[in-house]
Amino acid sequence: EAQVTQNPRYLITVTGKKLTVTCSQNMNHEYMSWYRQDPGLGLRQIYYSMNVEVTDKGDVPEGYKVSRKEKRNFPLILESPSPNQTSLYFCASSPLDRYYTQYFGPGTRLTVL
Amino acid sequence: GQNIDQPTEMTATEGAIVQINCTYQTSGFNGLFWYQQHAGEAPTFLSYNVLDGLEEKGRFSSFLSRSKGYSYLLLKELQMKDSASYLCAVNDYKLSFGAGTTVTVRA
Repeated sequence: EAQVTQNPRYLITVTGKKLTVTCSQNMNHEYMSWYRQDPGLGLRQIYYSMNVEVTDKGDVPEGYKVSRKEKRNFPLILESPSPNQTSLYFCASSPLDRYYTQYFGPGTRLTVL
Repeated sequence: GQNIDQPTEMTATEGAIVQINCTYQTSGFNGLFWYQQHAGEAPTFLSYNVLDGLEEKGRFSSFLSRSKGYSYLLLKELQMKDSASYLCAVNDYKLSFGAGTTVTVRA
């Protein structure tokens, strides 16, 4: 089954404790992206990647890091999480020439205390 | 930067038609897309417009006017399952989304 998976689905952590949210897709897509979704603000892009070893900042990259060492994986790293990073996070992927038809993962609900 | 506006909420009756407007101001433009998001779920792709005009896909249609910075999503023959949030997004690899329009369909 074609899918985008994210882990964990739910996470409660404390300020300053490094964490990684994994994202993996099995569709051989070149393009992958991370978003956060907050009430009243909609989806905001954090980082995106157009292929292995190619990453770029989205609209809200501060406090986040990503890496793209393999085509299928695009982890999101929070080196020192803060309460304002409490949010719902989505990973998405698509073929590069159809970047608009993004397949979204199920989401990760993160709470930083 | 990007500025994308859509109404926050809309309510309509089953079987009716609803039009969700989206206006945008962008530093560049490479396309406008619409996504549907049911409560508690991930967004799913609905439509894509890069040229002016109407794109029809079953009960859903999307219109674009690049000169006016304007798009709309038209939902016809509304069904209860169409109750969801509809997200307008613009541009290319660096995507910007509107805050979304929550549509409630009443019986």
